[in-house]
Amino acid sequence: QQQVKQSPQSLIVQKGGIPIINCAYENTAFDYFPWYQQFPGKGPALLIAIRPDVSEKKEGRFTISFNKSAKQFSLHIMDSQPGDSATYFCAASRGPNSGGYQKVTFGTGTKLQVIP
Amino acid sequence: EAQVTQNPRYLITVTGKKLTVTCSQNMNHEYMSWYRQDPGLGLRQIYYSMNVEVTDKGDVPEGYKVSRKEKRNFPLILESPSPNQTSLYFCASQRKSAASEAFFGQGTRLTVV
Repeated sequence: QQQVKQSPQSLIVQKGGIPIINCAYENTAFDYFPWYQQFPGKGPALLIAIRPDVSEKKEGRFTISFNKSAKQFSLHIMDSQPGDSATYFCAASRGPNSGGYQKVTFGTGTKLQVIP
Repeated sequence: EAQVTQNPRYLITVTGKKLTVTCSQNMNHEYMSWYRQDPGLGLRQIYYSMNVEVTDKGDVPEGYKVSRKEKRNFPLILESPSPNQTSLYFCASQRKSAASEAFFGQGTRLTVV
């Protein structure tokens, strides 16, 4: 059972464009939504994360938009650069108030290519 | 430098030959996990450990074993590998807190022929 659905599977944009990656979740108990970035030959690394008490979070050129009622969230990359070419995973888990170990459920990943 | 170290990075083996992939972290994290990454399926959790001698199944545990005898080490054991276990494997560690950042190793590309 896939609890976090991610789209598109792949995305090609030109430098300066704004790629958007979308994710939808089913489990209403999720309250922590991180995004991980993975470069070829490397493990995923945390990029940015959001809690559902805010609708948007920005860190540099990366923005998460969150729609709690629709159970959807998305990653926008402003002024994308070739160095942003990577695979991006959305994820969800129960958050800091849940206590103990909370399993992270990952989306299926989006391979982004930013062409010069 | 804080890191999660996996070995080997690449491994080709034959069906049925037992193998172990090692994982070690130097951040004193309580939580450790193993994932496999397959095209179109994302990262799926195999096993996780909340502390020494405390392990539990993830989403796809069949055909795998783990152990946690020391806090820093969390080896993944394939007792009788099969071709459907050909995949990219990642070990991850987290500090003892819900919603804490997962730190991943560099990955182990396993091919079972």
